[in-house]
Amino acid sequence: GAVVSQHPSRVICKSGTSVKIECRSLDFQATTMFWYRQFPKQSLMLMATSNEGSKATYEQGVEKDKFLINHASLTLSTLTVTSAHPEDSSFYICSARGGGAGWGTYEQYFGPGTRLTVT
Amino acid sequence: GENVEQHPSTLSVQEGDSAVIKCTYSDSASNYFPWYKQELGKRPQLIIDIRSNVGEKKDQRIAVTLNKTAKHFSLHITETQPEDSAVYFCAASPSGGGNKLTFGTGTQLKVEL
Repeated sequence: GAVVSQHPSRVICKSGTSVKIECRSLDFQATTMFWYRQFPKQSLMLMATSNEGSKATYEQGVEKDKFLINHASLTLSTLTVTSAHPEDSSFYICSARGGGAGWGTYEQYFGPGTRLTVT
Repeated sequence: GENVEQHPSTLSVQEGDSAVIKCTYSDSASNYFPWYKQELGKRPQLIIDIRSNVGEKKDQRIAVTLNKTAKHFSLHITETQPEDSAVYFCAASPSGGGNKLTFGTGTQLKVEL
């Protein structure tokens, strides 16, 4: 149980284009999803927290107009990198946390990540 | 906000030896402390976690200790094996605020034959 998928696993795009990444909880309803960015040999940096049906909460320094997050259902959140530039190249990872009876308040389950390369 | 420091950044041990990774945190409101193992290009995998109401937790070769007074927690791996080689991250999460995780900087563990 508690499986999270991401699509695509890898994407290469040209500078100035937009890229959408999907994060899905496959066997549970995710009340909260998180989006992280990880540069090579670095830690995971939280970009934003999204709750189903409400606006995402962005971390300081993360441009909300550049990284658009939509959490339209309890099993799907999307991250759109708009007008991508080479410096946006990174490993983007989502995580999901369940809710309701039987769920701990804290555990997060991670997706496999999306490797974005902007040329 | 929360700040998590992690040491060492790299750790090399001989197979069968123990490995210890230490983390400190700054926010006294943090009450959940997970440890993740990440292999190159893969997702972080939760290996053990501890909540603030206990001081120690063990799962086979892996244990975590927590000292809330000193705001530090440690990961202990005994009888290390080559497959333990990976990057390990500690994290801390306060109650409320969406329970978001703040990660440490990571430790590259290498278990040598």
